[in-house]
Amino acid sequence: DQQVKQNSPSLSVQEGRISILNCDYTNSMFDYFLWYKKYPAEGPTFLISISSIKDKNEDGRFTVFLNKSAKHLSLHIVPSQPGDSAVYFCAATNFNKFYFGSGTKLNVKP
Amino acid sequence: DAGVIQSPRHEVTEMGQEVTLRCKPISGHNSLFWYRQTMMRGLELLIYFNNNVPIDDSGMPEDRFSAKMPNASFSTLKIQPSEPRDSAVYFCASSRVGGLIYEGYTFGSGTRLTVV
Repeated sequence: DQQVKQNSPSLSVQEGRISILNCDYTNSMFDYFLWYKKYPAEGPTFLISISSIKDKNEDGRFTVFLNKSAKHLSLHIVPSQPGDSAVYFCAATNFNKFYFGSGTKLNVKP
Repeated sequence: DAGVIQSPRHEVTEMGQEVTLRCKPISGHNSLFWYRQTMMRGLELLIYFNNNVPIDDSGMPEDRFSAKMPNASFSTLKIQPSEPRDSAVYFCASSRVGGLIYEGYTFGSGTRLTVV
């Protein structure tokens, strides 16, 4: 039973446009949400996070939005760059245990 | 800081053989996690340790899998006997309990296991 779901296995976007990656969760007890980025042959690396008491967190080109009523979070990348091409995992946590989605592979075309 | 170090990077073994994956967490981190990545299920938590003690092993698929953490700087994940369906990338990650939770875990580069 997956508590965190990423329903889009892949996404293709033109360079300079916005990339929107989506994530849904089922457990209302999650108190922190994170996005990780993973390049081939490397481990996932932390990208951005958001506390459950906020609805938006921005870091440069990356913004994460949280809609608690819908149990939905999204990652916006603006503008998208070819170097952003990677697999993106969303994760949710309570009590130091993280639950990951299955990942979305983003391809940013030059 | 060398980060989380996993070995080997790649492992190819025959069905029925024992496989041991190794992990050295970041010094000072007191939580260690083993994950498995597959195409179908993404990143699955297998087991995690706090202060070298296994806290939650509910994700370990079956008795063929075992994990140990004999000290704060080393952990192993063993599969005996291995089966082709165990083929996946296995990640180790570490973190500090009570640390900056928004940083999450630091992952190693993974071990790609192929069982033929």
